[in-house]
Amino acid sequence: DVKVTQSSRYLVKRTGEKVFLECVQDMDHENMFWYRQDPGLGLRLIYFSYDVKMKEKGDIPEGYSVSREKKERFSLILESASTNQTSMYLCASTLTRGKGTEAFFGQGTRLTVV
Amino acid sequence: DAKTTQPPSMDCAEGRAANLPCNHSTISGNEYVYWYRQIHSQGPQYIIHGLKNNETNEMASLIITEDRKSSTLILPHATLRDTAVYYCIVRGLSGTYKYIFGTGTRLKVLA
Repeated sequence: DVKVTQSSRYLVKRTGEKVFLECVQDMDHENMFWYRQDPGLGLRLIYFSYDVKMKEKGDIPEGYSVSREKKERFSLILESASTNQTSMYLCASTLTRGKGTEAFFGQGTRLTVV
Repeated sequence: DAKTTQPPSMDCAEGRAANLPCNHSTISGNEYVYWYRQIHSQGPQYIIHGLKNNETNEMASLIITEDRKSSTLILPHATLRDTAVYYCIVRGLSGTYKYIFGTGTRLKVLA
């Protein structure tokens, strides 16, 4: 089974802190994605990456950055956390081509910024 | 990516078939229909996808109309564990394509 693992299930941080959310996948997927999910707004794409050291902005990149130094790991960074970044964060990965290009999601990290 | 329209909520009796509709009238020829579901407090889970032919797997069946402008996800014998939000997404097949999630259909299976 493909496993996408997010480092924390729950996280509480203070306003202004630098926050790192880590995501690791174990199936050699090329593509990785970060979403945030808020009530009534569904899942919104923050950033995605097609390859090591490559990144593309999603729909709501402001206030976030990402890092992909290794194929299996995709990190989301909140440079200076703010209360409006309190949300559920979901990581996903996909193969580029082949039979199984569906997305696999992690369990999510519920971040609270106080 | 084409937009999809789904009813916000549906109820289904346990043991009955749950039929979840999705409209995707602007779908283009190379775009597939994907279905995912999200059980409370978990990440979305892949269910099934298809291009134009009907598809079936161990979880569900997908019926796509001939003009491809709409589809229906069928859970043949719904159980309480099928209570979740179901998302219909249209996108290209390659894994590089983004998933654009709408707000989905909240399915409640009733005992």
